[in-house]
Amino acid sequence: AQSVSQHNHHVILSEAASLELGCNYSYGGTVNLFWYVQYPGQHLQLLLKYFSGDPLVKGIKGFEAEFIKSKFSFNLRKPSVQWSDTAEYFCAVKGSGNTPLVFGKGTRLSVIA
Amino acid sequence: SQTIHQWPATLVQPVGSPLSLECTVEGTSNPNLYWYRQAAGRGLQLLFYSVGIGQISSEVPQNLSASRPQDRQFILSSKKLLLSDSGFYLCAWSVSSGGADTQYFGPGTRLTVL
Repeated sequence: AQSVSQHNHHVILSEAASLELGCNYSYGGTVNLFWYVQYPGQHLQLLLKYFSGDPLVKGIKGFEAEFIKSKFSFNLRKPSVQWSDTAEYFCAVKGSGNTPLVFGKGTRLSVIA
Repeated sequence: SQTIHQWPATLVQPVGSPLSLECTVEGTSNPNLYWYRQAAGRGLQLLFYSVGIGQISSEVPQNLSASRPQDRQFILSSKKLLLSDSGFYLCAWSVSSGGADTQYFGPGTRLTVL
């Protein structure tokens, strides 16, 4: 069965610091990969996704993620975080065919001034 | 553009009472529809999904059921709520595109069972 691991439960950064949130998955076949973000009091929004092609994917608000197939990873990055990036971030993986979308447990990011 | 609605936004119910949460999607036809429960520190757990009217698949045995009476309406129900049913319930939709479909989420319903 598919599984997704987000190793950092809570990350605290100062404004302008660089961000990298880890995501590893277990699935042997072709995968579609997603990062969702949930800002305080708001609903879950798609941040970026990877289906095929260039493994470096750029999303909204300056976020990017890199798919490294050999490491089964899809880490999320941002070179300089802002206070408004404070949110919970979820990595999700979907295998091919009629397989469900499986979420990690989420990483809470707190950005302080 | 497509939009997804959920109501109510919050709900407080006593143990043993029935439940009905509604989700509707606008701006698309024949969407795939999903119900998830989100628990703090545990991510999202898929409860039910539907690929068409009257077609429901259950991912996890629950004190809950789902129905899809119309193409763009998905309902989550329970005959008798348990304390453990408290949580944040999210509805999502997607449109199949050769397996590469993206799910979009509604605002959620916060359910508290007392």
